[in-house]
Amino acid sequence: SAVISQKPSRDICQRGTSLTIQCQVDSQVTMMFWYRQQPGQSLTLIATANQGSEATYESGFVIDKFPISRPNLTFSTLTVSNMSPEDSSIYLCSVEGGESSGSYEQYFGPGTRLTVT
Amino acid sequence: RKEVEQDPGPFNVPEGATVAFNCTYSNSASQSFFWYRQDCRKEPKLLMSVYSSGNEDGRFTAQLNRASQYISLLIRDSKLSDSATYLCVGYTSGGYQKVTFGIGTKLQVIP
Repeated sequence: SAVISQKPSRDICQRGTSLTIQCQVDSQVTMMFWYRQQPGQSLTLIATANQGSEATYESGFVIDKFPISRPNLTFSTLTVSNMSPEDSSIYLCSVEGGESSGSYEQYFGPGTRLTVT
Repeated sequence: RKEVEQDPGPFNVPEGATVAFNCTYSNSASQSFFWYRQDCRKEPKLLMSVYSSGNEDGRFTAQLNRASQYISLLIRDSKLSDSATYLCVGYTSGGYQKVTFGIGTKLQVIP
């Protein structure tokens, strides 16, 4: 399984500002995923970050609000732009395990707990 | 209808009891299923994969019923440490990969 770290682990931000979350994986992976988990809700996929191409966003999420970078095969960032209290959530990055074996289980970073005031 | 549906619970069971969760899915093209465990304020962690034949890992048994489109998780001899939220996850591939998480079922094992 992959070991994933995220920074920051938590932050409290003022509305209108932006926060960039970093995700580092201990092995090279083709795809990295960014999820949001709002209080009492399940995980919702924001986008898939592919190295060397633009991220693929899910319905309801746009690049202007959640720009993503993927400069190499072990690192990605997600920016939450122009934040509002509705963006308060846990943001998680993940990778698929065992790309070589074709298994689809996902491994998650510890998450970034964001509170927007 | 949600693609993956779970009873959010909570399920409160005494230590040592057997408890079962079901999860239904609506997308018949879903190929793989998983159970994840999420502790409070922690990230989800893979508990078990569920393939066509189902599988068993110690006290945990996962079953897949494609005809009725549901997945089950059975926990025998519940421990206090089993208290967590259990997420059902469906995976669909074939052109566009999609992973769908259920809302999770909360289990509280009480002494």
